[in-house]
Amino acid sequence: AQRVTQPEKLLSVFKGAPVELKCNYSYSGSPELFWYVQYSRQRLQLLLRHISRESIKGFTADLNKGETSFHLKKPFAQEEDSAMYYCALSGRGSNFGNEKLTFGTGTRLTIIP
Amino acid sequence: EADIYQTPRYLVIGTGKKITLECSQTMGHDKMYWYQQDPGMELHLIHYSYGVNSTEKGDLSSESTVSRIRTEHFPLTLESARPSHTSQYLCASSEYFKGTSGELFFGEGSRLTVL
Repeated sequence: AQRVTQPEKLLSVFKGAPVELKCNYSYSGSPELFWYVQYSRQRLQLLLRHISRESIKGFTADLNKGETSFHLKKPFAQEEDSAMYYCALSGRGSNFGNEKLTFGTGTRLTIIP
Repeated sequence: EADIYQTPRYLVIGTGKKITLECSQTMGHDKMYWYQQDPGMELHLIHYSYGVNSTEKGDLSSESTVSRIRTEHFPLTLESARPSHTSQYLCASSEYFKGTSGELFFGEGSRLTVL
């Protein structure tokens, strides 16, 4: 079974301060990890995925297989970063093509001006 | 413009009524999904489809049913709505890639309230 845990439901950070949203996962095989974001009055959308290894809107996330974590980080928070963030895992099962995305409960990030 | 559309956005209905939530996408995607989300909770996959005439149950058991007669259309039906069905339903689509789930594109959601 695959599981994603986001321990913080709410996180408030001052503008300009570093941000870290925690995500831990449980999966026995080779996982693919994602961060999805939902800004106010907008749809849920992909922020970044670990295989891309790129920085999006200043955010980065590194897959740590030893700690089974995929924390989202940004060195300097901006007000427009306020949103709901979901960590998600896709398990590459033996039945390729059957991959499903499992989401965490989400963390609501609020940037304090 | 390529997009994914859900209707209705909001629905308030009485117990026992039959409801259909519509989902259409013009993105040319093969895979489509329905997620259910209660306030403050995670998204749960309830149905998905690889393409026409393909439907699969998701991780969360649901009394709803789906159909995929056309590539672009993936409606969800509840034959007899109950208050326990009150939730937000999110439709999504993605390209088909073996070995990865691919990026999911979500609709705006349908918020269902059953009285």
